[in-house]
Amino acid sequence: QVQLVQSGAEVKKPGASVKVSCKASGYTFSSYYMQWVRQAPGQGLEWMGIINPSGGSTNYAQKFQGRVTMTRDTSTSTVYMEVSSLRSEDTAVYYCARGLGWECRYWGQGTLVTVSS
Amino acid sequence: EIVLTQSPGTLSLSPGERATLSCRASQSVSSSYLAWYQQKPGQAPTLLIYIASNRATGIPDRFSGSGSGTDFTLTISRLEPEDFAVYYCQQYGSSPLTFGGGTKVEI
Repeated sequence: QVQLVQSGAEVKKPGASVKVSCKASGYTFSSYYMQWVRQAPGQGLEWMGIINPSGGSTNYAQKFQGRVTMTRDTSTSTVYMEVSSLRSEDTAVYYCARGLGWECRYWGQGTLVTVSS
Repeated sequence: EIVLTQSPGTLSLSPGERATLSCRASQSVSSSYLAWYQQKPGQAPTLLIYIASNRATGIPDRFSGSGSGTDFTLTISRLEPEDFAVYYCQQYGSSPLTFGGGTKVEI
C-alpha cells in the first residue's frame, strides 16, 4: 500500500533553514508527482509546490519562489522540501501528498516545524 | 491564481441532518479538477471527492460532490458523529493549486 513517511519535528531559529523529507513506498516512485502543503496552527491548508520525481522539475507557489527548494532522490524514493530564511510565520505542519493526478490522495503524517528564537 | 471561497465558515448541525457546503471559484476550474477533503484535529486531511463528483476509495456514499465551472457543492446526506470536522476544497486544474479557507461542521 502507498505510504509516505516524513521526517520528525524540527525547531529552528529565525533566519535558519529546514529540510523535511518524505520517503515513499508501495508504488513506483517516479510515476507520480509529489506536492507539499503546509498548515499554520489553527489555520487552513496552503499549497507550496509540486515536484515531478521523474525528471525533478518543480513548480512553486509564487509566495515561496526563491525560498523553497524541492528535490528528490530516486535511489531512496525520497523527496525533500527545504525552506530557507525561516521566520516565525513559517511555523506550521508541513505535509507531502501524492495523487493519481494532482489531487492529494495520499498524505504523509506531517512534520511540525517550529521557528522560535 | 484561482481563489476559492468556501461558505459558510461554520455549519452547526445535529447528527442525522443534511449538510450542504459551498465552494465558489474566482474563475472557471479547468476540467472540474476540484477536490474535497475532510480534516479532523491532529490528523492529515483525507480525500473525499475528486474531479468534483467522484468519491475516493472507501468514502461512504452519504458524501457526494456536484458542480462545475465556478460553483461546487459537497453534500453529506445524513451526518454521522464522525463527520464533524473541517472540510476544504482544492482546485488542481491550474497552477498554482489553491485551497479554500475551509468549512467547520460542528454539533
